[in-house]
Amino acid sequence: DTAVSQTPKYLVTQMGNDKSIKCEQNLGHDTMYWYKQDSKKFLKIMFSYNNKELIINETVPNRFSPKSPDKAHLNLHINSLELGDSAVYFCASSQDRTSPYNEQFFGPGTRLTVL
Amino acid sequence: AQKVTQAQTEISVVEKEDVTLDCVYETRDTTYYLFWYKQPPSGELVFLIRRNSFDEQNEISGRYSWNFQKSTSSFNFTITASQVVDSAVYFCALSEAFNQGGKLIFGQGTELSVKP
Repeated sequence: DTAVSQTPKYLVTQMGNDKSIKCEQNLGHDTMYWYKQDSKKFLKIMFSYNNKELIINETVPNRFSPKSPDKAHLNLHINSLELGDSAVYFCASSQDRTSPYNEQFFGPGTRLTVL
Repeated sequence: AQKVTQAQTEISVVEKEDVTLDCVYETRDTTYYLFWYKQPPSGELVFLIRRNSFDEQNEISGRYSWNFQKSTSSFNFTITASQVVDSAVYFCALSEAFNQGGKLIFGQGTELSVKP
């Protein structure tokens, strides 16, 4: 009974390619997020969606495009991958964005390596 | 501006020692929330605790305890009688009540190594 799942867990690809990471939550939450964890373990918000609506876009390059087909899914598509995109990407969800008190549940992460 | 600082990058202790992980935050909001997450070597992020800015009561959960002090903008985490399984990276995080979309602002993390 995985609460927040991501696929794939590992992604190795060449510079310039386009790739997608999928995220699904079965918690019935309204809000979903993408975070990036760099090689120094620093975690930073990228996007936040509430009921399929984009709420936060934290100055992420246009090559990154999130898509939320429904409130249980938030996918991340990355165009023209660069070496600096190598990181672990975490999806998360929370009950709703109107209450930042709600804990965020994180997926297992997707380790992206760009060669 | 919002910011979370975990000044200790790495801490190494021997099993059964007590260890405190420091967290200092900055925010202009009067209502905010603080969290601790654990990231074990397996990589997942595990929620440990949350605290709102109006509740300065310390909390204890088994070997874990948290000390929230608004006067010093700190939310420190103590592990009593540490165990090897406590080895992980620990993150302190801040969320502001009226922030944009409930985002978490994380500190840099403290890597705790507990040796047998």
